[in-house]
Amino acid sequence: GDSVTQMEGPVTLSEEAFLTINCTYTATGYPSLFWYVQYPGEGLQLLLKATKADDKGSNKGFEATYRKETTSFHLEKGSVQVSDSAVYFCALRANKNYGGSQGNLIFGKGTKLSVKP
Amino acid sequence: NAGVTQTPKFHILKIGQSMTLQCTQDMNHNYMYWYRQDPGMGLKLIYYSVGAGITDKGEVPNGYNVSRSTTEDFPLRLELAAPSQTSVYFCASSPDGTISYNEQFFGPGTRLTVL
Repeated sequence: GDSVTQMEGPVTLSEEAFLTINCTYTATGYPSLFWYVQYPGEGLQLLLKATKADDKGSNKGFEATYRKETTSFHLEKGSVQVSDSAVYFCALRANKNYGGSQGNLIFGKGTKLSVKP
Repeated sequence: NAGVTQTPKFHILKIGQSMTLQCTQDMNHNYMYWYRQDPGMGLKLIYYSVGAGITDKGEVPNGYNVSRSTTEDFPLRLELAAPSQTSVYFCASSPDGTISYNEQFFGPGTRLTVL
């Protein structure tokens, strides 16, 4: 079945450091890919998404590119801030033409990011 | 526009008790979902609904029940609570779930402890 694998955490960085969180997926067909962020004590918020190969999603300085050849959707940010401390989830949603009629998201385990001043 | 709201935020339940977690959305979404999030794990789908009166099991449905009498509400019922149901529960909603790029909107979660 469909699955998402993302790098284990926790990740601890200094402010203004470069961030990469790796994410790879297994899916039939052409899923849509998402990064969600969960700040302490809150629910999940959509950070960015990409819906087809070579699409780049971006938001708040974060970027991720849908790479079908490597089945990857790595999250990057050039200069992290303390306010970026959160748990980041990579997720996919199957295309309905490939059994995705439920519309649910398949999540990775999450990567906790801590940014120190 | 409140989005997705969940009550309660926290609850402690005794083994064998039952309770209902409430979820309401005001975006007129047909698709609604219940997930559970265990420590260090991603979210797992418990149940979902594609519209009023229609529900179906997800990946981890055992010990839970749902109903969907209106578009807005999607309560999750725990019967005979067990310690394994200690988790954080998230409700989510979405416009047409068959369109893969549609965003899911999440509630703030209910942290449930079964002792």
